[in-house]
Amino acid sequence: GEDVEQSLFLSVREGDSSVINCTYTDSSSTYLYWYKQEPGAGLQLLTYIFSNMDMKQDQRLTVLLNKKDKHLSLRIADTQTGDSAIYFCAERYNQGGKLIFGQGTELSVKP
Amino acid sequence: GAVVSQHPSRVICKSGTSVKIECRSLDFQATTMFWYRQFPKQSLMLMATSNEGSKATYEQGVEKDKFLINHASLTLSTLTVTSAHPEDSSFYICSALKTGVGTEAFFGQGTRLTVV
Repeated sequence: GEDVEQSLFLSVREGDSSVINCTYTDSSSTYLYWYKQEPGAGLQLLTYIFSNMDMKQDQRLTVLLNKKDKHLSLRIADTQTGDSAIYFCAERYNQGGKLIFGQGTELSVKP
Repeated sequence: GAVVSQHPSRVICKSGTSVKIECRSLDFQATTMFWYRQFPKQSLMLMATSNEGSKATYEQGVEKDKFLINHASLTLSTLTVTSAHPEDSSFYICSALKTGVGTEAFFGQGTRLTVV
């Protein structure tokens, strides 16, 4: 079956880079996503990567995909206190749009 | 991006009553919507896939008679929690699938349900 794993917590200092890691099991995934959730709110799509790509950069965000190891990472450059939130990685399971989420990584940014 | 509106954002109800949650895609049509449930400090658990004009597909372990889903139009899906109990208290999030050049899921703001 499909499974997505993330570490639960990450703490960084303001201005440092944050790297959030994720592993998945379904090698047939076509898209992999990163979502941000602030307290009491829904999910905000941050970025996504197609499975035939190795890297995607979007302003402060860099996504790296190692398809062989089924490992996905999100790097946030120059992390700010406003980046404090829970970050979920998700894989799209088949073409129907169903997403399988990891447990979420709580990012804490200290001034 | 696209906008998905979920209503209400917060609701408190008494045990035994029913609560309806709406999910609307405001600027696109969505034949497919998803309903998720999220417990505190936990991930999102997919409850069901809602398809416009047909019956919803429920994930294993989700009671279809308790969580009624209606997707009567291309912009609206509703989730009704029937005969709610305190253990149904949770954060419910919907997403709507926008198809086109790329297919993406956009999420509502979530509904905090508290059953007392």
